[in-house]
Formats: sequence, C-alpha cells, structure tokens
Amino acid sequence: NAGVMQNPRHLVRRRGQEARLRCSPMKGHSHVYWYRQLPEEGLKFMVYLQKENIIDESGMPKERFSAEFPKEGPSILRIQQVVRGDSAAYFCASSPPHSYEQYFGPGTRLTVT
Amino acid sequence: SQQGEEDPQALSIQEGENATMNCSYKTSINNLQWYRQNSGRGLVHLILIRSNEREKHSGRLRVTLDTSKKSSSLLITASRAADTASYFCATGLGGGADGLTFGKGTHLIIQP
Repeated sequence: NAGVMQNPRHLVRRRGQEARLRCSPMKGHSHVYWYRQLPEEGLKFMVYLQKENIIDESGMPKERFSAEFPKEGPSILRIQQVVRGDSAAYFCASSPPHSYEQYFGPGTRLTVT
Repeated sequence: SQQGEEDPQALSIQEGENATMNCSYKTSINNLQWYRQNSGRGLVHLILIRSNEREKHSGRLRVTLDTSKKSSSLLITASRAADTASYFCATGLGGGADGLTFGKGTHLIIQP
C-alpha cells in the first residue's frame, strides 16, 4: 500500500503566478487534510475534505486559496496570485473513515520569488 | 483556537539516555497524538492517546496524558542517534476525524 503521494516535491513560482499542489491519499482513505508549515514552526491546519466535499476550511485564507477533492483523481490545493508570504512547505495527510490517525505525505516546498 | 505547546524547544542528550518532552494545550480534547518529523520530511505518526486514557506504551515510547492539567509527556527510552528529529504533539477535538492542531515542536538531538 503506497503512502500518501504529493507532487511536485518542489515548486518555484514568481509572484502573481498560480501554484497547484496535488495529493493522492492512501488507498482506502477518504479523508484528506492540508497543512502549511513555515520554517521552524509547527503545522497549521488549512482544510479538511472528503470526496467532493469540503468539511472544514476554517484554516484556509479566504482569498486566493482553494481546495478540492474530486470523485476521481487527487486532491488539489490551488493558490492564485502567489505572494512571497506563501512560501512554505505544504503537507497533505489522509485518514480512513472513523480514524483519528493521519498519514502524511512528504510535502511540497513552495518558493515564491 | 487551541494550541499544543511543546517544552523544551530543543533537547540534546547522549545516546542511551532517556528523552522527555512535554506538551500543553488549552481546551478540551478528544485525543492527543505525537508525531516525528525528520529534517525536510513529512510527519510520521508515533502514538495516539485518547482523552479517557492516562498512559500508553509503544516500544520505547511512553506517553502520558493529564487532562486536568491539559498536558502530555512523551518519553523515549534508551535513545538512539536515529531518534534525532523534531517531535510534535497534536490535538484533535471532535468525535470523528478533523484537522489537528500542532505545537511548534521539540527538536531532539541525540549525540552519539
């Protein structure tokens, strides 16, 4: 059973461009979470999704950020018009139904120049 | 929002010694989890303790939870160089799956 997959692992964008981060959960996991980690900081929860539904987006900025988890395919975190402050590591995690434990992917490191 | 805070921020010990890290949080929780992160990598789940549990063991790991003090501790016995990593506590609120709230972590260095 492959772990949580994220791609790309590293992404460089210029200010104003769009960043698309992809996450494929573990097989059998229907819950996906996105977190952001700044240097020397803990992870900050952004959004929690189940297939085709956003369950909790309380940690996601209201503007420029969006997330989806379609019926088919990976979950996508989209950041429009990126700014330098968006530079961070973005981690995706997944969990099976009725489980508290989350399994993390290797992260995507976004650098905005 | 509630937040786990680990203490100390950094800890350096000799290989073979025990390492203890503490975590405090602010509001009622359903469960508390500990994760490890090696430099530049994703997080690895170590152990989960539910709010109605006081202590839990897994291999060389021992976790305690004191809900009256809103605190938890992680003990790693007989430390190894490979234990060098950052350790985070994370709290969950709900009766089901939900987003976790992480602290800033304890950076543990095991000196060979």
